[in-house]
Amino acid sequence: KQEVTQIPAALSVPEGENLVLNCSFTDSAIYNLQWFRQDPGKGLTSLLLIQSSQREQTSGRLNASLDKSSGRSTLYIAASQPGDSATYLCAVLDSNYQLIWGAGTKLIIKP
Amino acid sequence: DVKVTQSSRYLVKRTGEKVFLECVQDMDHENMFWYRQDPGLGLRLIYFSYDVKMKEKGDIPEGYSVSREKKERFSLILESASTNQTSMYLCASSLGTSGGALGYNEQFFGPGTRLTVL
Repeated sequence: KQEVTQIPAALSVPEGENLVLNCSFTDSAIYNLQWFRQDPGKGLTSLLLIQSSQREQTSGRLNASLDKSSGRSTLYIAASQPGDSATYLCAVLDSNYQLIWGAGTKLIIKP
Repeated sequence: DVKVTQSSRYLVKRTGEKVFLECVQDMDHENMFWYRQDPGLGLRLIYFSYDVKMKEKGDIPEGYSVSREKKERFSLILESASTNQTSMYLCASSLGTSGGALGYNEQFFGPGTRLTVL
C-alpha cells in the first residue's frame, strides 16, 4: 500500500533563506505527484504537478523535483518570504488512480 | 478562476444528529471529492463522484453518504453524527478525463468546514 511521508512536520527559517521540503513515497508506480499549499481558512491551492515522466517543474520561486526510482520529491523555495508561511502538502496519484496524501510540513518564515 | 464553496466554515452538532455539508463548484467540473483532514494523518478520501448521480466510495466511507443530483453540487451526509467524526472536511473538484484517472487533473479545493460533534 502506497504511503507518503513528509519530514519534518514543522520548519521555521529566517526570511530570505532558500529551503527544501521533502516528500517520500513507498511505491514508485505513480502517475504524478503534486505539491499543495494550505492556508488557514482558505483550503488547498495546487502549486506544482509533476507527471511521472518528468523530472521537475518550476513556478516562480518554486521548483519541484521528482525521482521516482528513489521515491522522493523535493520542493525548493528560493528567497523565502513571510507570505510563504503555510502548510505544504504533497500527494501522489498511485497505480489505482487514488491520490495518496502526506500529512504536510508546516512552514514558518520569520521576518 | 475556479471557485469551490462550502456551505459552512464552522459547524457544531450533537451526537446522533443528521448533518449535511454542501459543496458547490462553478467550473462545470465532472469530478467532485470529499476528504477529511485530521492532524498527522493527511487528507483521506471519503467519497467521490465522476458524474451526476454517480458516486464511489473512497478510503473511509463508513458513517457517511453522499448525493449528487446536479453537476455543480456534491453533498456529504453524516446520517448520525458521532464524536469521532469531528474533523476538517474539504471538498474538491476537477475536470474529468477520458482515461478515467480521477486524480490526473488538478483538484481545486474549497475553504473547508470544521465540524465539531459534541
